[in-house]
Amino acid sequence: EIVLTQSPATLSLSPGERATVSCRASQSVNIPLAWYQQKLGQAPRLLIYDTFKRATGIPTRFSGSGSGTDFTLTISSLEPEDFAVYYCQQLTNFGGGTKVEIK
Amino acid sequence: EVQVVESGGGLVQPGGSLRLSCAASGFSFNSYWMTWVRQAPGKGLEWVANINQDGSELNYADSVRGRFTISRDNAKNSVFLHLNILRAEDTAVYFCGRNLGFEQLDYWGQGTLVTVSS
Repeated sequence: EIVLTQSPATLSLSPGERATVSCRASQSVNIPLAWYQQKLGQAPRLLIYDTFKRATGIPTRFSGSGSGTDFTLTISSLEPEDFAVYYCQQLTNFGGGTKVEIK
Repeated sequence: EVQVVESGGGLVQPGGSLRLSCAASGFSFNSYWMTWVRQAPGKGLEWVANINQDGSELNYADSVRGRFTISRDNAKNSVFLHLNILRAEDTAVYFCGRNLGFEQLDYWGQGTLVTVSS
């Protein structure tokens, strides 16, 4: 089983700053990675699929990168609506989540 | 417009059963795998089960295998999750999602809450 470890657990930033969320897999498999955003009381929303492709309607400030065991979600300039929890996923495995909060 | 709507959650006693439903619309339902994911209160996401397009392939998380059953009715554009022998640790919001491939879910429902308690 693949274990996905996200870091940091919490990221405290101000609007306009750059956010970088890391997701490390316990083993390297040639399987794409997805990223989701979840706000309190809502369903997760797909942001990135196939490691780097933006889902429909996702702003260009969101980008995904990585390969092997190390993957990254980058938000180039945080907007007020971006403060939320972010999860990575590879097949049936989810990371523990990273909360991006307002500093 | 793609829509996915779950229903059927509620309060059930330990050892009890429940059937969750997920109604889909706005896309060719019988062309997609469908997946259930759950989230315990204040916790992260946990993959539960999936089903292929014609219902011939079913997969389950170890934590629910033998107790939960996933099924679908393509004529009704619906997928179901039958929950049996429920435990307190099954308490969660259960989400249904359309599977893009490799379990990447591009459309999710709003979720339905299952509470297992005496």
